Amino acid sequence: QVQLVESGGGVVQPGRSLRLSCAASGFTFSSFAMHWVRQAPGKGLEWVALISYDGSNEYYGDSVKGRTTISRDNSKNTLYLEMNSLRTEDTAVYYCAKERSYQALWGYCDYWGQGTLVTVSS
Amino acid sequence: DIVMTQSPDSLAVSLGERATINCKSSQSVLYNSNNKNYLAWYQQKPGQPPNLLIYWASTRESGVPDRFSGSGSGTDFTLTISSLQAEDVAVYYCQQYYATPYTFGQGTKLDIK
Repeated sequence: QVQLVESGGGVVQPGRSLRLSCAASGFTFSSFAMHWVRQAPGKGLEWVALISYDGSNEYYGDSVKGRTTISRDNSKNTLYLEMNSLRTEDTAVYYCAKERSYQALWGYCDYWGQGTLVTVSS
Repeated sequence: DIVMTQSPDSLAVSLGERATINCKSSQSVLYNSNNKNYLAWYQQKPGQPPNLLIYWASTRESGVPDRFSGSGSGTDFTLTISSLQAEDVAVYYCQQYYATPYTFGQGTKLDIK
């Protein structure tokens, strides 16, 4: 069965950096685009970033563009999100999610991890 | 960016009754070349990640009960639960994937009356 397990969250000071990881299993990771979506405490969903199945294309949300990099290692079945210059408003649960369609960049996700909490606070 | 606006923000429906959630996009999410609406619906229960219900505005995801249906085109969409069950209590989100940045509606909280 498909499993997505995020890690790397925690408490970080404003202005610092953080790298999140998402370990994937149960499907051919190298054949599916992957997303990061976040949810601030008690708030709605915010799409963060997308990377194509082969890593050749990346897309970002407005609030993280320029200080965030999504990447993947298909040999390790792992997705990453590196965030720099963190702000208090980046505090959220970060979910990794699998694109539903094979080798597509449609934009909707059929499997989600349980999320990892990032708290940006001094 | 495409702004997604859901209505109502919350609603309470009796068990067995119909629940209707609306979603409006600030611009059309209908791609004319393939006549597809780039619109998905998700269900999120407390403490859980979102669960895909509907994509292409009206295609039900595998395993989703047939009491859930999606409709609409262009800028106006509806998620309907035909006969509310207790396990349907959740927050529901629409999402456009017509253009990046992909955007979600603010969510609609559904409770039992």
